[in-house]
Amino acid sequence: AQSVTQLGSHVSVSEGALVLLRCNYSSSVPPYLFWYVQYPNQGLQLLLKYTTGATLVKGINGFEAEFKKSETSFHLTKPSAHMSDAAEYFCAVSLTGTASKLTFGTGTRLQVTL
Amino acid sequence: DGGITQSPKYLFRKEGQNVTLSCEQNLNHDAMYWYRQDPGQGLRLIYYSQIVNDFQKGDIAEGYSVSREKKESFPLTVTSAQKNPTAFYLCASSRGQLNSPLHFGNGTRLTVT
Repeated sequence: AQSVTQLGSHVSVSEGALVLLRCNYSSSVPPYLFWYVQYPNQGLQLLLKYTTGATLVKGINGFEAEFKKSETSFHLTKPSAHMSDAAEYFCAVSLTGTASKLTFGTGTRLQVTL
Repeated sequence: DGGITQSPKYLFRKEGQNVTLSCEQNLNHDAMYWYRQDPGQGLRLIYYSQIVNDFQKGDIAEGYSVSREKKESFPLTVTSAQKNPTAFYLCASSRGQLNSPLHFGNGTRLTVT
């Protein structure tokens, strides 16, 4: 079985501040991990994914995430927030790497203030 | 540009009526998916199809039906048997290969009163 937990349904940061969105997973085997972003009234867009290999994954828009097996975590970070980063972010896990077996977290809404 | 088109963007229906949501893709993807999104919840898989003329139930298929007669199209029917049909519905597609990312449409917001 697999599950994913996103800590904090809402996160607020100042423009220019560090963004940290937390994601922890539960999996009996090495998982495939994804972060998606959703802007208001739109579909989701892939930010980045971890499959195998390098544990630090770089994505689009300056985001990156680090797979930490010992902590069962895949937190999303960005050094400096921009107003355009305001959106909802979803972490997702798959044991098999196939989309039909993808489990999504409940999402974290990021607010960026001036 | 290639992408996924969902129509309409907003849909209103009376309780007891069936309604069909459209999803068309021109990405030449083999696999297509329907998700339901409710406030404060993640996405939940309704149905998916990995090839034309074949589809499988997802986690919450009850009260829904689909067809996949063409590679480009994967319509979703919300039937009167669905107890809580009001939600945001997202269609997605992928190449269907291992680790292929999902490409999403912009969704249809269905309101049933």
